[in-house]
Amino acid sequence: EIVMTQSPATLSVSPGERATLSCRASQSVSSNLAWYQQKPGQAPRLLIYGASTRATGIPARFSGSGSGTEFTLTISSLQSEDFAVYYCQQYNNWPPMSTFGQGTQLEIK
Amino acid sequence: QVQLQESGPGLVKPSQTLSLTCTVSGGSISSASYYWSWIRQPAGKGLEWIGRIYSSGSTNYNPSLKSRVTISVDTSKNQFSLKLSSVTAADTAVYYCAREGYSRGWYLDYWGQGTLVTVSS
Repeated sequence: EIVMTQSPATLSVSPGERATLSCRASQSVSSNLAWYQQKPGQAPRLLIYGASTRATGIPARFSGSGSGTEFTLTISSLQSEDFAVYYCQQYNNWPPMSTFGQGTQLEIK
Repeated sequence: QVQLQESGPGLVKPSQTLSLTCTVSGGSISSASYYWSWIRQPAGKGLEWIGRIYSSGSTNYNPSLKSRVTISVDTSKNQFSLKLSSVTAADTAVYYCAREGYSRGWYLDYWGQGTLVTVSS
């Protein structure tokens, strides 16, 4: 089973600043990596798929990069609505299953 | 706009079977290239993928849950369902259904609002 490790667990950033979140896979997942945002009491929202493609309606301040085992989600200029928990997710072909990282809490500094 | 809605009992007794249904609207569950998935989240914790099903009935399950999980589909009702047997308190969680698509990798683009299932006597 591929293990996804996110860092840091908590990130404190001021509004208007840049946030950089990391996700590491225990073995290569190529570009099979997605990022989600989750706010309290809500379902997760797809932000990025294929490691770097923004989902429909996602603002350009969100960007994803990386391939293989190292991935990054960057939020270029934090808005108040961006403070939430972020998860990375990969899907492996064998065994055929999906795994999520443990999440990064992005909080207001 | 695709919408998903979970339904089912909010309270299940230990050792019994948890049963949930996800109703899909705004799109056909038989659409090519999409799987239909279940994910859960214990309170204050992260997301756990349970499994998924294609409209043909083909399934993939999380190996850690595989012995207890059954996911089925009813294309005539545009629904898919989850059954989790022999539940314990550890299965208490918010359960989400979601659509899973593919482009350079699999992703979950539409989610239900989630339903809380508590396992307690």
